[in-house]
Formats: sequence, C-alpha cells, structure tokens
Amino acid sequence: DAGITQSPRHKVTETGTPVTLRCHQTENHRYMYWYRQDPGHGLRLIHYSYGVKDTDKGEVSDGYSVSRSKTEDFLLTLESATSSQTSVYFCAIKGALDNQPQHFGDGTRLSIL
Amino acid sequence: AQTVTQSQPEMSVQEAETVTLSCTYDTSESDYYLFWYKQPPSRQMILVIRQEAYKQQNATENRFSVNFQKAAKSFSLKISDSQLGDAAMYFCAYIEEYGNKLVFGAGTILRVKS
Repeated sequence: DAGITQSPRHKVTETGTPVTLRCHQTENHRYMYWYRQDPGHGLRLIHYSYGVKDTDKGEVSDGYSVSRSKTEDFLLTLESATSSQTSVYFCAIKGALDNQPQHFGDGTRLSIL
Repeated sequence: AQTVTQSQPEMSVQEAETVTLSCTYDTSESDYYLFWYKQPPSRQMILVIRQEAYKQQNATENRFSVNFQKAAKSFSLKISDSQLGDAAMYFCAYIEEYGNKLVFGAGTILRVKS
C-alpha cells in the first residue's frame, strides 16, 4: 500500500467553523492532490500541489485553501465550513514520472451540520 | 473540458460469470491515460488497471481486461470469473499526458450474486 495517511478519518462539525484535513505521505512523491467524492459525481479535484509551496486550483476549489510547507504534508482547509461541503475527502499522491498513476488515501468523511 | 461518462449506474453478475462495465470519454488530446479504480465498501480507492492511449494493445491484469477503442473514445472493463470480492463501485478515470487533473466518471456499482 502507498504510504498515505489521512487525518482525521471522520469529523462532525458545525456550519461556520474552520476545518483542516491533513494528508501525510511517506513516499517522498512530488505531487499531492485533494478530491471530494459526492454521489453522482465520482471524485472531483479540489486543489493539487506539484512541490513545496507550489499549489494550483482544481475543478471545485471555491471555499477551500491548501498549504504544503513540507514534501510529506498537504493540508486542506475549509475557512468557514458550509453544509454543501459535507462530503468524503480523498488525498492522492503521484511520483514525478508522467506515466505513474495516482494512489489514494483511505478518505475522510466530513459532516457539517 | 474533458468528461468521462459511465452510463450504467448499477450492474449485477452471477459469481463465476463475466461482466463488462462501460466507459466513454471526451477529449481533443491524442496522448492520455485511462484508469479503472475499484472502491469497495471499505472506501479505499484501488487501482485496477490502466491504459496508455498510445498503446494499441489492450491492458490485462489477471481477471481484468479492457477494450480500448480510441477512435470511439470508449474504454470498457471486463471482469472474468467474477468473485464475491469484486463487488464494489468502479470508477473510470482519464488524465491527459503531463496533466495533473484526473477526471472521474460517476461510477458503476457492481453487485455479485452467489
């Protein structure tokens, strides 16, 4: 299994509160990604990182920010959580070579009441 | 923008039989990669098989094989000798060469009957 750890695995919080999800890798991979999974949509890319302090937006980035201060950690922050951000969040990593696939963490189930 | 369509929300197969899951995609690129991921109830995302668009030969991994039709933009997954452990949600995904944005279909739930 790819060395990816997401924390927490489950979280319940209230609308308007800040939330930070953490993705930690032990593979020293260059690329890291955050996706959200919702019924009927598959997985959709929120943000990704191509190196320390280098990030870019994905398809559904509104309301989310990310940071990567170390190769091994990629944080996803909801500054003021809304009920529409209730979802399952996946982190993924990929090596530098173009033909390498993305490998996923086990996901975080986030419920915003 | 690239899109991936899985037209079968649910499929059922008898144990030991063969089933084919459909996937079509839309792109103007000529070089890209296609994947099938499996998501069992444990929620893990497991890579099943991948195909490079420049390769004409269809990828195969044990009981899993694909039928890649580049001109038709079709990428179906065939599961032979289905097992109870194959029951899961299956996602088709696309990424362009040198790209970072993996685009997923909505998924197909596969049920395996004993």
